[in-house]
Amino acid sequence: EPEVTQTPSHQVTQMGQEVILRCVPISNHLYFYWYRQILGQKVEFLVSFYNNEISEKSEIFDDQFSVERPDGSNFTLKIRSTKLEDSAMYFCAIASGRNAEQYFGPGTRLTVT
Amino acid sequence: ELKVEQNPLFLSMQEGKNYTIYCNYSTTSDRLYWYRQDPGKSLESLFVLLSNGAVKQEGRLMASLDTKARLSTLHITAAVHDLSATYFCAVDVLNTGNQFYFGTGTSLTVIP
Repeated sequence: EPEVTQTPSHQVTQMGQEVILRCVPISNHLYFYWYRQILGQKVEFLVSFYNNEISEKSEIFDDQFSVERPDGSNFTLKIRSTKLEDSAMYFCAIASGRNAEQYFGPGTRLTVT
Repeated sequence: ELKVEQNPLFLSMQEGKNYTIYCNYSTTSDRLYWYRQDPGKSLESLFVLLSNGAVKQEGRLMASLDTKARLSTLHITAAVHDLSATYFCAVDVLNTGNQFYFGTGTSLTVIP
């Protein structure tokens, strides 16, 4: 099973601050995803990324969110001006192909105060 | 809007008993995944079901898919405490990109 690491494991930030969450796939996978899970709720899709561009995004993924893969390895999710409601677990996932099984990273717990 | 619903949402069962978790979805799909999540942890892949009638078994868990009924089941046989976790189904809908639509989750507690 492919490995995915995420950093940091826990991030505490003040409302209005910018945060960058990082995902590092250990193997060569082409498809990348971000999901979030508010405490006690289901997992929600944010964005998918392929060939260095966004292939799909949800309504949640508004202008305050952005993704990039700056060095061909790390896959990052940036939240420009965090809100209280951004507090959640953020999971990165990878897949070898479109519509293929997705493997999830350990997650980053974001707490906005 | 695509809906993926699981029931029950909460399940408390005694060790040794059998039970089934249901996952209903509202659109055509022939790809369905089951994940396990322990508290505060990530999602662990359990089963990948890629066609109508697919059945997969691993230990005390068995998953099946009926694409005509838009229904998947996760059957638990002779439950043990280690199975306590939250179980999510996720539907992959072709031609909508490659996002997974997750179910509401079933929180399972197995009581000794």
